[in-house]
Amino acid sequence: NAGVTQTPKFQVLKTGQSMTLQCAQDMNHEYMSWYRQDPGMGLRLIHYSVGAGITDQGEVPNGYNVSRSTTEDFPLRLLSAAPSQTSVYFCASGTGVGETQYFGPGTRLLVL
Amino acid sequence: GENVEQHPSTLSVQEGDSAVIKCTYSDSASNYFPWYKQELGKRPQLIIDIRSNVGEKKDQRIAVTLNKTAKHFSLHITETQPEDSAVYFCAASILSGGYQKVTFGTGTKLQVIP
Repeated sequence: NAGVTQTPKFQVLKTGQSMTLQCAQDMNHEYMSWYRQDPGMGLRLIHYSVGAGITDQGEVPNGYNVSRSTTEDFPLRLLSAAPSQTSVYFCASGTGVGETQYFGPGTRLLVL
Repeated sequence: GENVEQHPSTLSVQEGDSAVIKCTYSDSASNYFPWYKQELGKRPQLIIDIRSNVGEKKDQRIAVTLNKTAKHFSLHITETQPEDSAVYFCAASILSGGYQKVTFGTGTKLQVIP
């Protein structure tokens, strides 16, 4: 049972490039979410999903897309990277309402 | 939307002393309050949580209290040890559109001095 996994661990992009951050979980969790973590700002919700085929926006969705074709996978797409998207990205999954979330190891992204 | 404020932003204590981190939330409908510990370069991990129908919960050296009327909740760590040094995040969770939306505080960096 690997829990929540994320790839890559580190990534450097140039402004305007696109890329996909991968997230997978093997706990059969319906709820999955993406956060970004910036110094002094805690964790902010980007997008979330309550099950395969269902996604919605969080607090800071601009510049990011998501899809959920399977229960296991929840990729985050950066459409045209900007320096303001330099951050640490965490994926999380959980069983549902009022339950804890389990975080992945994170992806450090640097946009030049 | 929900707003969570966390204080202090940094906290230094001597080993063996207690540490208290306080959070306030704005939405009275919030019903789940987890606390996460994040060590340097690692992922956040749940250390304790409390639901809105409970006023206090304890797990060994860690306790959380909730005052729904004042919309305050606090993390208490007793007999601190160097391995307690980390960043701690509080969060408030509210059911919205079938999803438990979690809003995090900005974190408290705890340093336990040996």
